[in-house]
Amino acid sequence: AQTVTQSQPEMSVQEAETVTLSCTYDTSESDYYLFWYKQPPSRQMILVIRQEAYKQQNATENRFSVNFQKAAKSFSLKISDSQLGDAAMYFCAYRSYNNDMRFGAGTRLTVKP
Amino acid sequence: DTGVSQDPRHKITKRGQNVTFRCDPISEHNRLYWYRQTLGQGPEFLTYFQNEAQLEKSRLLSNRFSAERPKGSFSTLEIQRTEQGDSAMYLCASSLPRGLGATNEKLFFGSGTQLSVL
Repeated sequence: AQTVTQSQPEMSVQEAETVTLSCTYDTSESDYYLFWYKQPPSRQMILVIRQEAYKQQNATENRFSVNFQKAAKSFSLKISDSQLGDAAMYFCAYRSYNNDMRFGAGTRLTVKP
Repeated sequence: DTGVSQDPRHKITKRGQNVTFRCDPISEHNRLYWYRQTLGQGPEFLTYFQNEAQLEKSRLLSNRFSAERPKGSFSTLEIQRTEQGDSAMYLCASSLPRGLGATNEKLFFGSGTQLSVL
């Protein structure tokens, strides 16, 4: 079974600075997808960014980018120019070929003004 | 596109009672998922449907839990004889099948049903 590990329960960043959230996963599959979801206090899960395992190029969405290291099974999220609205729980997720999505335990990000 | 909707938003029940939650996915999505999330944890997979077929169930889904999607549209999740340990947020998500477009791999989540068992 696939597992997703987020080793940082909490992180904080100064507004306008850059922060990196870590994620590792365990799988025997070669074809899969990785995601970062954001969950603000409203608890609505919002997709931040996605990465296809077959693509070597790291995904980027505006201020959000990933560092995908397939051999190391690592998938970190970098948030640049952090904003107060970025404060939330961030979940790393793995979606297997059979479409079952697994989540990590989450990282709570605090943005300091 | 009105998004994934879940009803009710909050449910408070006494231990031993039965509860039922409803999820309406995005209309063109044929895959529907149920997750459970406790405070401070990531969502845990419970089950998922493709159309009306329930394709996978987690071991977390005890025999007190049953999910249905009779017409391949909305889904219900019923918990019988609720226990205090069932208290959690129950999230529903939907998606297109794999391979049908650039955005089909992502799950769209509803706002969840917060269950409190007293």
